[in-house]
Amino acid sequence: LAKTTQPISMDSYEGQEVNITCSHNNIATNDYITWYQQFPSQGPRFIIQGYKTKVTNEVASLFIPADRKSSTLSLPRVSLSDTAVYYCLASKRGGGNKLTFGTGTQLKVEL
Amino acid sequence: DVKVTQSSRYLVKRTGEKVFLECVQDMDHENMFWYRQDPGLGLRLIYFSYDVKMKEKGDIPEGYSVSREKKERFSLILESASTNQTSMYLCASSAQQGAGGNTIYFGEGSWLTVV
Repeated sequence: LAKTTQPISMDSYEGQEVNITCSHNNIATNDYITWYQQFPSQGPRFIIQGYKTKVTNEVASLFIPADRKSSTLSLPRVSLSDTAVYYCLASKRGGGNKLTFGTGTQLKVEL
Repeated sequence: DVKVTQSSRYLVKRTGEKVFLECVQDMDHENMFWYRQDPGLGLRLIYFSYDVKMKEKGDIPEGYSVSREKKERFSLILESASTNQTSMYLCASSAQQGAGGNTIYFGEGSWLTVV
């Protein structure tokens, strides 16, 4: 499975758009990219998942370029409550996966 | 909603004790995982299981074992707890999806302190 690399931390202000990039140089053609959000003392929770190009849901967008060597989680107009750790995960279609997370990105949103 | 329940939220154990961390999921998921989380190190996979009685080592299996006798239950065992196993432990599950990627559902975590 592809190893993912993310920035350790990012800072932003309320109302701004935040883009967190995940590098995955050896992603396979059938690998999916999934992003998770974790608040202190809680388990991570699913945000968004994609396979190629762009996916959007009510909380975020995920951009995966054609070469699939990286992907970007976009959070529009962040608020203080978006302060959390964000993890990206590359996983193959189907089960039996050894799902290994990276160290995540600590996003801090200030007023 | 998928629910992954970890039996103990906070535990304090003595060095050398045998420790059981229990996890139950209610969505008939095939895959179950145990992760450990420490500051600055992210989520590290200890063991995972893709079927009853099946188990695979993750990245840091040393000092741990697991048991999956029933599909819904996955136990993490510390045979002889040590202080360096003080950490937060997260259980997770996912379906054996054929058409999409694995979406993982996590429990709330178990904080283990070994003294």
